[in-house]
Amino acid sequence: LAKTTQPISMDSYEGQEVNITCSHNNIATNDYITWYQQFPSQGPRFIIQGYKTKVTNEVASLFIPADRKSSTLSLPRVSLSDTAVYYCLVGDFRGSTLGRLYFGRGTQLTVWP
Amino acid sequence: GAGVSQSPSNKVTEKGKDVELRCDPISGHTALYWYRQSLGQGLEFLIYFQGNSAPDKSGLPSDRFSAERTGGSVSTLTIQRTQQEDSAVYLCASSLRVAAAAAYEQYFGPGTRLTVT
Repeated sequence: LAKTTQPISMDSYEGQEVNITCSHNNIATNDYITWYQQFPSQGPRFIIQGYKTKVTNEVASLFIPADRKSSTLSLPRVSLSDTAVYYCLVGDFRGSTLGRLYFGRGTQLTVWP
Repeated sequence: GAGVSQSPSNKVTEKGKDVELRCDPISGHTALYWYRQSLGQGLEFLIYFQGNSAPDKSGLPSDRFSAERTGGSVSTLTIQRTQQEDSAVYLCASSLRVAAAAAYEQYFGPGTRLTVT
């Protein structure tokens, strides 16, 4: 099972760039890396996904080194509304069959004014 | 279109009673997932369906838990003889299909908060 390790919490100020790193040493060859955001009393929301190198969308960037044993979610110029829990997700595919998905405990990001 | 819906939003039950939690996925999504989130904890993966089939049930916490999906749409998670440790938010998600990248782009419902007294 490809488990993940993230910092429990991070603090930042409005306007700063935030980088959250996730370790996934046992990632399998065909696994993708996905990040989710969760606000209190809501279900998680998909942010970004990647397989290798760098992926960028309108809200974040995802950096994945060549060995794929870690990944970094980068949030540019955060605002108070980015305060949330961020989860790194790696799957457990066995051939073409999905095994179990491991979300972990996530990283609580708090953005201060 | 409509997102993932779950019912009830809140459920309070007495220890030992059975409960059924319902999930209605996004139309056209063939994959459906159930998770449990205890207070202050991360998401615990329970089970997934590809169509009506659940290939791996090992994530269910005990044999008191069961899940089914009919018609490739609605799914029900049943907890028999509830215990206090079953108190949690139960989240359902769906994705287009279970295949590499698509399996990870999941759309979550608002969850059902279960309280066992």
